Amino acid sequence: AQSVAQPEDQVNVAEGNPLTVKCTYSVSGNPYLFWYVQYPNRGLQFLLKYITGDNLVKGSYGFEAEFNKSQTSFHLKKPSALVSDSALYFCAVRSNNFNKFYFGSGTKLNVKP
Amino acid sequence: NAGVTQTPKFQVLKTGQSMTLQCAQDMNHNSMYWYRQDPGMGLRLIYYSASEGTTDKGEVPNGYNVSRLNKREFSLRLESAAPSQTSVYFCASNSPRGYNEQFFGPGTRLTVL
Repeated sequence: AQSVAQPEDQVNVAEGNPLTVKCTYSVSGNPYLFWYVQYPNRGLQFLLKYITGDNLVKGSYGFEAEFNKSQTSFHLKKPSALVSDSALYFCAVRSNNFNKFYFGSGTKLNVKP
Repeated sequence: NAGVTQTPKFQVLKTGQSMTLQCAQDMNHNSMYWYRQDPGMGLRLIYYSASEGTTDKGEVPNGYNVSRLNKREFSLRLESAAPSQTSVYFCASNSPRGYNEQFFGPGTRLTVL
């Protein structure tokens, strides 16, 4: 069975500081992992994905994520946070056998000036 | 190119009423999905359609029906609405080839009184 856990409901960070939003996963087979961002009253927008290859994946808006197979983690990172990064972030894993996706519960990122 | 569109954006129903949420995509995607988003629970899959003419249950299908009308359109029907179905509903689509990400609509905010 596939599942995703986001252990933090909320992350607070000051503008200009690095940020990390945590995600751990459980899959049978190869993991296909995704990060999405949701701004208030909007749908989810794709940020980045890991399918295979380099463990450090770069995505939109300066975000990156580090895949760690031994720790079954896929943490989202950004070297320098912006106030405009404040939003709800979702980690997701794709099923190996079907084109279905399983989402974490979401982490609210608050970036303060 | 409008992406994924959903109608209506807002709806208030009384318990027992029925309604259909409409979703359309213009990206020629084979797969389409319906999710509901509730606070602290992330996105939960209601139904999905891997391709035109097929539909399958997701995690929380009870109380819902779907129709994949053609490749572009995927509707979600509530036959007898209940307060527990108060939620924000998102439609999504993707192309299954290459482990592609999903594209989301703007959502429908449904309140059942």
